[in-house]
Amino acid sequence: GAVVSQHPSWVICKSGTSVKIECRSLDFQATTMFWYRQFPKQSLMLMATSNEGSKATYEQGVEKDKFLINHASLTLSTLTVTSAHPEDSSFYICSARIEGISYEQYFGPGTRLTVT
Amino acid sequence: AQSVTQPDIHITVSEGASLELRCNYSYGATPYLFWYVQSPGQGLQLLLKYFSGDTLVQGIKGFEAEFKRSQSSFNLRKPSVHWSDAAEYFCAVAGNNNDMRFGAGTRLTVKP
Repeated sequence: GAVVSQHPSWVICKSGTSVKIECRSLDFQATTMFWYRQFPKQSLMLMATSNEGSKATYEQGVEKDKFLINHASLTLSTLTVTSAHPEDSSFYICSARIEGISYEQYFGPGTRLTVT
Repeated sequence: AQSVTQPDIHITVSEGASLELRCNYSYGATPYLFWYVQSPGQGLQLLLKYFSGDTLVQGIKGFEAEFKRSQSSFNLRKPSVHWSDAAEYFCAVAGNNNDMRFGAGTRLTVKP
């Protein structure tokens, strides 16, 4: 149980275009999901906390208008990278928390974004 | 806010040797601590976690970790390393606001 999927697993887009990444909790409901970014050979950095039915909470330094997060249902959160640039190329990982079970997150397999 | 320090960026051990990966945390209240493993290009796999109770925690793949409040540490250990254990290891701490902070990671290389 507690499986989180991400789609796509990898994507290549051209500079200036937008790309959407989906994060789904497959066998549980997640009122809270998290989005992380990981540069090569570096750690995961929390970008934002996504709450179902409300606006996401972004970490300091993360551009809200560039990284649009929508948590429209209890099993789906999306991250849209708008007007992507090569410096946005990274590994994006989402996680989800089971409602009522605090502090533990279940991680998706990640999405590799390459902007050319 | 909570934070995690993993002092060792890279560790090399011989196959069959014992392993200890260090993790120190900073948090004002009771921490919720985790160890994850990540293979290249892959997501995170939870090895073990500590919420409360017994300070020696058993995890998957033969790993264990010991929570030491006095030292603010949560070191990961394995008595005998296998070549398949080569990967990146992350220690993480979660706080009251449910967000999770990760250490910089320790890359483990296993020599045959």
